[in-house]
Amino acid sequence: GDSVTQMEGPVTLSEEAFLTINCTYTATGYPSLFWYVQYPGEGLQLLLKATKADDKGSNKGFEATYRKETTSFHLEKGSVQVSDSAVYFCALSDEGSNFGNEKLTFGTGTRLTIIP
Amino acid sequence: NAGVTQTPKFQVLKTGQSMTLQCAQDMNHEYMSWYRQDPGMGLRLIHYSVGAGITDQGEVPNGYNVSRSTTEDFPLRLLSAAPSQTSVYFCASSSALRSSYNSPLHFGNGTRLTVT
Repeated sequence: GDSVTQMEGPVTLSEEAFLTINCTYTATGYPSLFWYVQYPGEGLQLLLKATKADDKGSNKGFEATYRKETTSFHLEKGSVQVSDSAVYFCALSDEGSNFGNEKLTFGTGTRLTIIP
Repeated sequence: NAGVTQTPKFQVLKTGQSMTLQCAQDMNHEYMSWYRQDPGMGLRLIHYSVGAGITDQGEVPNGYNVSRSTTEDFPLRLLSAAPSQTSVYFCASSSALRSSYNSPLHFGNGTRLTVT
């Protein structure tokens, strides 16, 4: 079945550091890939998305490129801020099965803490 | 903008007790779902609904019941709580089955449930 593997946390960085959170996936169809972010005390919010190979999703300075050859969707940001402290979830939706939201498969989440 | 509202925020139950977690959305979304979030396991889908009167099981449905009598509400019932159901529960909604930028999942802020 479908699965998502993301790097274990917690990750602690200094402000303005470069961020990479690794995410790899396995899927039987043609998945769309997502990054969701969960700020303290809140639900998850969609951060960015890519629907096909070589697509780059971007939002709020974060980027992730859909790499079919390496089955990866790593999250990057060039200069992190304290306000980026949150838990980040990689997820996939196997669009090839004609399902979407109800078949989202999430990774285990990576807690990111940015220190001033 | 209320979005997705979950109540209560915290709940402690004794083994064998029953309760209902409430979820309401004011965005006229057809799709609603319940997830549980456990450490090291990401989010797992419990039940989902694609419209009023229609529900289906997700990945971990045992021990939970749902109903969808209106578009707005999607309550989750625990008939006989067990310690294994200690978790954080999230309700989510979307305007469409297929995930896209125009119809991402909107999450509530969660209910933290402890079963002793």
